Amino acid sequence: DSGVTQTPKHLITATGQRVTLRCSPRSGDLSVYWYQQSLDQGLQFLIQYYNGEERAKGNILERFSAQQFPDLHSELNLSSLELGDSALYFCASSLVGQGSSPLHFGNGTRLTVT
Amino acid sequence: KNEVEQSPQNLTAQEGEFITINCSYSVGISALHWLQQHPGGGIVSLFMLSSGKKKHGRLIATINIQEKHGSLHITASHPRDSAVYICAVRSPFGNEKLTFGTGTRLTIIP
Repeated sequence: DSGVTQTPKHLITATGQRVTLRCSPRSGDLSVYWYQQSLDQGLQFLIQYYNGEERAKGNILERFSAQQFPDLHSELNLSSLELGDSALYFCASSLVGQGSSPLHFGNGTRLTVT
Repeated sequence: KNEVEQSPQNLTAQEGEFITINCSYSVGISALHWLQQHPGGGIVSLFMLSSGKKKHGRLIATINIQEKHGSLHITASHPRDSAVYICAVRSPFGNEKLTFGTGTRLTIIP
């Protein structure tokens, strides 16, 4: 058990809708990362937060947004959903930055857009 | 061409065999990660290294910065090692961006 909790495990929704994915990092970890894994693109880094502040941004669409709250949990909001947004979304956490401390992954949220 | 290339894409071996998975990258990096993804989808971080070699149990990871190449070795492979192994490289520019390879699907036959 990595200690990282993601909810929900599965999500099925329709095109055009909005969903929120939630991540609780491992106890004591300050950094949270979001990744998308799709069949055609593989794993891609979306965004990182450190202690509530955005630290790095990857291939995150404008329709997607994220935040990290004072209790360090994070939410990834996906809006105006398209069929191509169907993917596994992983959250990971680390104590500081991933350059100096290992990454711990959640089990992912499988999003299906119909 | 992808920034991170893994080979082979698929590997099937008999239990007990020595396994090598390769990762080549075309950009400067500050660290190389190896991840393991089980059939259920969960991801485990195996190694993070910026130079030399690390060992954990039957797993060994190496990196050659000059040649922009890393390897993951598994000694005395076991069916429970069957998984997808993913290489990722971290940007050297002070941010935390990871760029991922497409993964190597390893199947160990009893």
